[in-house]
Amino acid sequence: DGGITQSPKYLFRKEGQNVTLSCEQNLNHDAMYWYRQDPGQGLRLIYYSQIVNDFQKGDIAEGYSVSREKKESFPLTVTSAQKNPTAFYLCASSIRRGDRMNTEAFFGQGTRLTVV
Amino acid sequence: AQTVTQSQPEMSVQEAETVTLSCTYDTSESDYYLFWYKQPPSRQMILVIRQEAYKQQNATENRFSVNFQKAAKSFSLKISDSQLGDAAMYFCAYRSPHYTGNQFYFGTGTSLTVIP
Repeated sequence: DGGITQSPKYLFRKEGQNVTLSCEQNLNHDAMYWYRQDPGQGLRLIYYSQIVNDFQKGDIAEGYSVSREKKESFPLTVTSAQKNPTAFYLCASSIRRGDRMNTEAFFGQGTRLTVV
Repeated sequence: AQTVTQSQPEMSVQEAETVTLSCTYDTSESDYYLFWYKQPPSRQMILVIRQEAYKQQNATENRFSVNFQKAAKSFSLKISDSQLGDAAMYFCAYRSPHYTGNQFYFGTGTSLTVIP
């Protein structure tokens, strides 16, 4: 079955450590996104990528980094520069048709990151 | 950047009754897409319904329908014959179809409780 897989489901990080969240999709989607979800704040965009080897900062990119070396994969690294990383992280992807990206986003099941 | 506003943080409905969730958005574009997503306690984001701005007809999906008022920039979701499984967070989302700036913008969500 096609879909988006995020791992791990739960992740604990010590202060000062970098951690990487995995996101893999087999939907053959060009575009991929990372969102952070906090209570009462909806989904906020961290980074997005429309094509391999290209990505753009979203609204809250500080303290995060990404790479897009393969179409299927879009890992997110939460660095020690992110002062409040405890949150729920969602990865999504969508199809692209020409210059019109007119479909919905498909989401992974999320990763809950907790700083201990 | 486009903004999406959901002014009802919480709503409740009696089982089998109808409830309407509100969403407004701000954009200068004439062509765009709107979505309603459901996030149950499992936190998996599920697409409920979508609307293309160029279509005047309101979208419907079984018990779910929208009232799309383009001039008023309003996009409400009506759930008919509410069921216990409808209890979830509901997010309204906006997306431009164009290559640039094509990320999704989400509202802060409405938590729906279904009362047996």
